Amino acid sequence: KQEVTQIPAALSVPEGENLVLNCSFTDSAIYNLQWFRQDPGKGLTSLLLIQSSQREQTSGRLNASLDKSSGRSTLYIAASQPGDSATYLCAVRPPDKLIFGTGTRLQVFP
Amino acid sequence: EPEVTQTPSHQVTQMGQEVILRCVPISNHLYFYWYRQILGQKVEFLVSFYNNEISEKSEIFDDQFSVERPDGSNFTLKIRSTKLEDSAMYFCASGGTDQETQYFGPGTRLLVL
Repeated sequence: KQEVTQIPAALSVPEGENLVLNCSFTDSAIYNLQWFRQDPGKGLTSLLLIQSSQREQTSGRLNASLDKSSGRSTLYIAASQPGDSATYLCAVRPPDKLIFGTGTRLQVFP
Repeated sequence: EPEVTQTPSHQVTQMGQEVILRCVPISNHLYFYWYRQILGQKVEFLVSFYNNEISEKSEIFDDQFSVERPDGSNFTLKIRSTKLEDSAMYFCASGGTDQETQYFGPGTRLLVL
């Protein structure tokens, strides 16, 4: 059964720092991996999608990498800003559904 | 930019009552999903729907749950007889193919008393 784990569970950093969020999964048979952002009480905003054949994807200050064979993905956030404060979720996709991790709650303080 | 919408945003109901949660997926999408998130817990898959039928469902999606696409635009989740443990945020999602990005709606917060 696929299990998705995210560390750290919470992170508090000063504005301007570069940071790395980690996601690991137990079964490498996935189609893709998706990173989301969730603001308190809100829905999920898709940040990046990495197909299983890809190694990384970039969008602005965000860079996500995927090492399918070792069951790991990282989300790198460059030059963090207070507006980046949110919970970040990774989700892997075997056929059809998404299986989510527990998330990393990020707080960026001025 | 097209987006998934959900109504209502909040619903409070008494245990044992039926609720219908509504979603309007992105218009050219073919794959539809429901997920839920109990407060403080992971987002969990409930059901996927394609070509007017359920393609996969989780253990959570028992006989109390049903989904329907009654017309070309709406996608609904019905809970026949709500339980206290059904209290959660329910998210609808849609996708153009079964391997592309899933786009999520803002959620319906359901509280069962």
